Amino acid sequence: GAGVSQTPSNKVTEKGKYVELRCDPISGHTALYWYRQSLGQGPEFLIYFQGTGAADDSGLPNDRFFAVRPEGSVSTLKIQRTERGDSAVYLCASSPGTGSSYNEQFFGPGTRLTVL
Amino acid sequence: AQSVTQLDSQVPVFEEAPVELRCNYSSSVSVYLFWYVQYPNQGLQLLLKYLSGSTLVKGINGFEAEFNKSQTSFHLRKPSVHISDTAEYFCAVSVSSGSARQLTFGSGTQLTVLP
Repeated sequence: GAGVSQTPSNKVTEKGKYVELRCDPISGHTALYWYRQSLGQGPEFLIYFQGTGAADDSGLPNDRFFAVRPEGSVSTLKIQRTERGDSAVYLCASSPGTGSSYNEQFFGPGTRLTVL
Repeated sequence: AQSVTQLDSQVPVFEEAPVELRCNYSSSVSVYLFWYVQYPNQGLQLLLKYLSGSTLVKGINGFEAEFNKSQTSFHLRKPSVHISDTAEYFCAVSVSSGSARQLTFGSGTQLTVLP
C-alpha cells in the first residue's frame, strides 16, 4: 500500500518568506510526528498529533513554527519569516496509534528546505 | 528526558568483514530502543527494535543488536557486510509508556563498505 508522502520534495525560499510543508500519512494512522534533520545530525522531534490535536508541541523551536492537522489525516507544517537556520530536511512519520502497545513509526522521504 | 550517543560518526569497513556500530543512551524512565537506516535520498527505515524480553534482537538484512541495561548500550552488529549496506545508521529511543512516543535520535554513523 501507499506509504507516507511529503510534498514538495524540495523547497527553496528566500529569507523572510512563509512556507508550508505537507504530509500525507498512511491511511488510518491516527498518530503523526514531525521531525527536523539538519545536515550531519539525527532527526529532532518537533510536534506530535494524535488525531486532530497537537498532543505535544514541545519540540517546536519558536513561535514561527506551527502545524495543523484539521481532519486527522493530512498535516501541514507552517514556517513564518523563514531564516537561514531553518534550512534542513523536514521528516514526517505516522503510526497506527498509541496506548500501551508499541506502534511502529513509518517515515516519509522528507522535504528538503533551503532558505537563501 | 532521553539522550542518545553514537560514538562513531564514520565507520569504514571492507566487504565481508564484521562491523559493530556503537550506541549508548541515557534515560530516567523505561525506554524502547531502535536502529534505523537511511539510504541516500530515501526515508528512514526501521532495522530492528528492542521492546522487552530477549536482549538479543534480530532485524532485517542480517543485522542484530544487543540491549545491555547495565551499560545502557544497544550496539548494532553484522557478521559480514555487503557493499549495499553502505548507508547512514541512526540509533533512537522512545519512552515505553504514555501516549507520546516521539523518537530521540543519535547523530548517526555513516557506514561505508569498501570493495
